[in-house]
Amino acid sequence: AQKVTQAQTEISVVEKEDVTLDCVYETRDTTYYLFWYKQPPSGELVFLIRRNSFDEQNEISGRYSWNFQKSTSSFNFTITASQVVDSAVYFCALSEALNNAGNMLTFGGGTRLMVKP
Amino acid sequence: DSGVTQTPKHLITATGQRVTLRCSPRSGDLSVYWYQQSLDQGLQFLIQYYNGEERAKGNILERFSAQQFPDLHSELNLSSLELGDSALYFCASSVRRASSYNEQFFGPGTRLTVL
Repeated sequence: AQKVTQAQTEISVVEKEDVTLDCVYETRDTTYYLFWYKQPPSGELVFLIRRNSFDEQNEISGRYSWNFQKSTSSFNFTITASQVVDSAVYFCALSEALNNAGNMLTFGGGTRLMVKP
Repeated sequence: DSGVTQTPKHLITATGQRVTLRCSPRSGDLSVYWYQQSLDQGLQFLIQYYNGEERAKGNILERFSAQQFPDLHSELNLSSLELGDSALYFCASSVRRASSYNEQFFGPGTRLTVL
């Protein structure tokens, strides 16, 4: 069975600090996909990134970066120079190998990030 | 805006009642997923439809059912409602006809309150 663990339930930082959100996953599949979603106070779920299990390259998008380490089954998310608008709940999710129909997401419990001015 | 629409945005009803939540996927997406977000259970997958057929089932109660219509919109029916069914229900869609990606794009959710 798949499992995603986000050990940090809540993180509070001051604006401009860097912050890393941890995600550890479990799966028996050799091919899988990892995702991060953001849920701002308004409630919608916003897709941030997808990473394939066979691609361990780290990715950077503006102030966001992701560190995928298969050896430790982790897919951590770092926000550099955090801003108040980054305040949200962040979810890490796992999906088994793709088929033409797509596949369900297993979500972690989420990390609530509060960025104070 | 993800392109996925859900109606209604809010729903308040009483125990024992039945409600229907509606979802329209992004144009061209064939898969629709339903998820439930509650304080005690977190975000949980309920059920998936692909091009009109049920594809996968998660922790969906027998009191709940869903379907996907020929125009690809989907409905989630919740019956004999209990207080514990109060939650945010998300619909997501994925798999455009010409795409190999599997990002699921989520609708704004329907907040169900059972009194």
